This record gives sequence, structure tokens and C-alpha cells, in this order.
Amino acid sequence: GDSVTQMEGPVTLSEEAFLTINCTYTATGYPSLFWYVQYPGEGLQLLLKATKADDKGSNKGFEATYRKETTSFHLEKGSVQVSDSAVYFCALRSLYNQGGKLIFGQGTELSVKP
Amino acid sequence: DGGITQSPKYLFRKEGQNVTLSCEQNLNHDAMYWYRQDPGQGLRLIYYSQIVNDFQKGDIAEGYSVSREKKESFPLTVTSAQKNPTAFYLCASSARGQRYGIGYGYTFGSGTRLTVV
Repeated sequence: GDSVTQMEGPVTLSEEAFLTINCTYTATGYPSLFWYVQYPGEGLQLLLKATKADDKGSNKGFEATYRKETTSFHLEKGSVQVSDSAVYFCALRSLYNQGGKLIFGQGTELSVKP
Repeated sequence: DGGITQSPKYLFRKEGQNVTLSCEQNLNHDAMYWYRQDPGQGLRLIYYSQIVNDFQKGDIAEGYSVSREKKESFPLTVTSAQKNPTAFYLCASSARGQRYGIGYGYTFGSGTRLTVV
């Protein structure tokens, strides 16, 4: 079945460092891909998305490109801030998977130190 | 503004009690979902509903029950049969994939933290 694999955390960076969180997927057909962010004690918020191959989603300085050839959707940010400390979830949605339910990765915790 | 509201934010349950978590949305979404999140863990799907008066079990439905009598509401009952209910519970809603396509994500509530005392 469809699945999403994220790099394990926690990831610890210094402020202004470059961030990459790897995400790869297995899916039938052409899924849509998403990144969600969860701040401590809160629900998940949609960070960005891409709905077809080579699309780039971007928001708040974060970017991810839908790479069908490598089945990847890696999250990047050029300069992280302490306020970016959160858990990040990669997810896919495909009509071939039980009518389009979101499939989540396990989440990657990011900690940014001043 | 449209959104999804979960209540209460914190809930304490005694052993052997049933408790009900509320989830209401005004986004006109057909589909609603309940997830459980344990510390340092990912999301596990409990129940979901694609349409009013219909719902399906997710991956960890044992010890939980739901109803979907109105489009806006999808309450979750944690029964006494759930042996380890202490967790963070998240409700979400979305446009139905088969009808509106898969380009839309889910909208999440802010969660209910349930603790057994």
C-alpha cells in the first residue's frame, strides 16, 4: 500500500543554519504531496503542498519540490529560526488509497538553538 | 472565519468511565477524521467518516466509538474498553477526495489532551 518515509529525528540546528528534512513516498498513480507542521501542544497546520510532478510548494521560507523520478518531497529552508522548532509531517493523498485518505510519515522533530 | 473546533482542550477520565470528545467544523467538509497521537509518535487513525450517517474504522478503532448525525459534527467516545486512553486526540476535516480531488489537505483542530486519573 501507499506509504511515506521521513528521516528520523530529532534534528538539532543552530539558528540561521540550512534545513533539509528528507521525505520519500511509495504510491500508486499520481498522489498529491503535503508538508504539515505541529507546534508544541497544538494541532497540525498545512505548511505547503504540491499536486503534480515538478511542482514546487513554498510558504514562510520553506520549499519542497515534487520529484516523481526519485519519489521524493524533501523540505528545505535556507535559514532556520528558533520559532521553526516543531514537528514536521510529510503526507500524501491518492485516490487509489481508500478514497483519498491522507497517509502520514512518522514526523521529524526539529529543534533550533539560538 | 471557517474552522474546526475541538473541546475540551484538556479532559480527565477516571478508570471505567466513558468520555466524549467534541469536534465541530463549519467548513462544509464532507469528510471528518479522528487521530490519536502519543508522545513522540506519529498519527494513528481511529475512525473516519466520508459522509453523514456513515463511518469506517481506522487502524486502532478498538475501545472507541463515533457518530455522524450531522455534517458539522463528529464526536468521539472513548469507552472503558480502551485500556490506555491517555493521549492527544486530533480531529480533522476535508473535502471528499473522490468528489473534489486530492489536491486539498486536511484542516485540523487544536486537539484534546485526555488523561486517565
